[in-house]
Amino acid sequence: DVKVTQSSRYLVKRTGEKVFLECVQDMDHENMFWYRQDPGLGLRLIYFSYDVKMKEKGDIPEGYSVSREKKERFSLILESASTNQTSMYLCASSSVTSKQFFGPGTRLTVL
Amino acid sequence: GENVEQHPSTLSVQEGDSAVIKCTYSDSASNYFPWYKQELGKRPQLIIDIRSNVGEKKDQRIAVTLNKTAKHFSLHITETQPEDSAVYFCAAIRADTGNQFYFGTGTSLTVIP
Repeated sequence: DVKVTQSSRYLVKRTGEKVFLECVQDMDHENMFWYRQDPGLGLRLIYFSYDVKMKEKGDIPEGYSVSREKKERFSLILESASTNQTSMYLCASSSVTSKQFFGPGTRLTVL
Repeated sequence: GENVEQHPSTLSVQEGDSAVIKCTYSDSASNYFPWYKQELGKRPQLIIDIRSNVGEKKDQRIAVTLNKTAKHFSLHITETQPEDSAVYFCAAIRADTGNQFYFGTGTSLTVIP
């Protein structure tokens, strides 16, 4: 089974803090994604990466950055957390054949 | 880019009845259409998918139909059970352009025992 893991299930941070969310997949997938999920808005793509050191902006990249130094690891960085970044963050990975597999999610609260 | 619309946003059915969720997409080049089920507090899980070279796919009580001309696809669940209660997401992708998924906004399905 594909395994996608995220570093934390729940995280509480203060406004202005730098936040790192990590995602690791064990299936040698080329593509990795970060989404945020908010009620009524579905899954919105923040950033994705199709190769090591490569990244593409999704629909809502403002306030976020990403890092992919190794194929299995994709990090989402909030440079200066704000309250409107309180959300559920989901990581996913896929191979070139398209099936996308999700991690368990990180519920981030910014106070 | 692609725009995926999903309807309805909420759906309640009696146990044993059928449920249908519909999605439309805008990019005629989209060629892969997965459906995800997300139970409360859990990650989205792929339940069925269809590629643009087929019109229908079935897996036990779940089926997906695709109408490329009209650019819409639907999820059909027959003989619904309480454990089918969840949020369902559709997505559309051009698999040749980096696999960026475009998700619908989700349908919250409640199956009433």
